Amino acid sequence: EVQLVESGGGLVQPGRSLKLSCAASGFTFSNYYMAWVRQAPKKGLEWVATISTSGSRTYYPDSVKGRFTISRDNAKSSLYLQMNSLKSEDTATYYCARQRWETLFDYWGQGVMVTVSS
Amino acid sequence: EIVLTQSPTTIAASPGEKVTITCRASSSVSYMYWYQQKSGASPKLWIYDTSKLASGVPNRFSGSGSGTSYSLTINTMETEDAATYYCQQWSSTPPTFGGGTKLELK
Repeated sequence: EVQLVESGGGLVQPGRSLKLSCAASGFTFSNYYMAWVRQAPKKGLEWVATISTSGSRTYYPDSVKGRFTISRDNAKSSLYLQMNSLKSEDTATYYCARQRWETLFDYWGQGVMVTVSS
Repeated sequence: EIVLTQSPTTIAASPGEKVTITCRASSSVSYMYWYQQKSGASPKLWIYDTSKLASGVPNRFSGSGSGTSYSLTINTMETEDAATYYCQQWSSTPPTFGGGTKLELK
């Protein structure tokens, strides 16, 4: 059974940093692109970052480029999201997601809440 | 960036009723993907490659469309289908999602 378990969320002040983690199990982690997708309270879904199987390629939307960094450790079957210079608009539930064929998100974690507020 | 517009934003349906949700893209896309999200839960892949049902999805669901117009249809509404449905494209980067359609039980 595919499982994705996020951790590391919490309350953080604007301008500070936070690192999210996602522990994957139930599949060969190194064979899949992985992603982070977020959902602001009562809002829709927004793609945040994608990383290739080896970690050599990363992709971001303009809204987080230069502030967020996605990374992975295939030996530990773990995905990470380093978030710097956080803004109030980054407040959201962050989901770790497995990608299939590099175009869709076929499994999602339970999500972790990040609140950016002074 | 391709903008996806879903309609209606909210819809209420009675058990047994047919339901159709539409997703329109600002530019042509090759495939559309759909996700179901129930309150307080994470999204689940529901339909992929426009018309293929994800594992475990009841066959009362179907997907169709091409170009800039896609739809998700429930042939006969059931209680468990009440949820928010999102469309998603990745024909061009960044991948984008529609704003969601909340399906309520009447």
